[in-house]
Amino acid sequence: RKEVEQDPGPFNVPEGATVAFNCTYSNSASQSFFWYRQDCRKEPKLLMSVYSSGNEDGRFTAQLNRASQYISLLIRDSKLSDSATYLCVVTPTWDSNYQLIWGAGTKLIIKP
Amino acid sequence: EAQVTQNPRYLITVTGKKLTVTCSQNMNHEYMSWYRQDPGLGLRQIYYSMNVEVTDKGDVPEGYKVSRKEKRNFPLILESPSPNQTSLYFCASSLQGAREKLFFGSGTQLSVL
Repeated sequence: RKEVEQDPGPFNVPEGATVAFNCTYSNSASQSFFWYRQDCRKEPKLLMSVYSSGNEDGRFTAQLNRASQYISLLIRDSKLSDSATYLCVVTPTWDSNYQLIWGAGTKLIIKP
Repeated sequence: EAQVTQNPRYLITVTGKKLTVTCSQNMNHEYMSWYRQDPGLGLRQIYYSMNVEVTDKGDVPEGYKVSRKEKRNFPLILESPSPNQTSLYFCASSLQGAREKLFFGSGTQLSVL
């Protein structure tokens, strides 16, 4: 089993719709969680950190479910510019500040 | 402008010919790291550095070398490249560690023939 698993997609979604995808992680000791966004063959950019209580940034909502070991990303009122690959990232252990485990990404395509 | 500068953007070489990919950041970051990205796989860490003269192996260090003689620079060296090192490479930095926001260079697409 991969340490971080994501549905590769692609998710084809009409503009304006709400889309959500999950990411599962295998190490229950993981403490830090992130969503990064990557446009085709470009550098990843931090979208948001994921906090235990869940957090929201505009149209984006991230949630953490420790019991089931997954994090989720919800995008409301999707825009064409949201088309990208979304990378789930976790720390491998509770105290790791030097290493991250990256998912392979979920590709999202927003259609007009 | 705060940035991570990575060069070259594209590189085609032949097996065994030593090469260096440069990475420089202007944000006074302590932490720097190199990743490779292959289709269907997540980013995999090659080496990282917590500070000047402090480097350590990541998940896939074989065939690579790094150095951190100055805080701003963290070059990646392939002494004898092989075709299985064909990949997209990214350099990243952050203020103090991997749990903080990572700033990435624009990537180097390396092809080893």
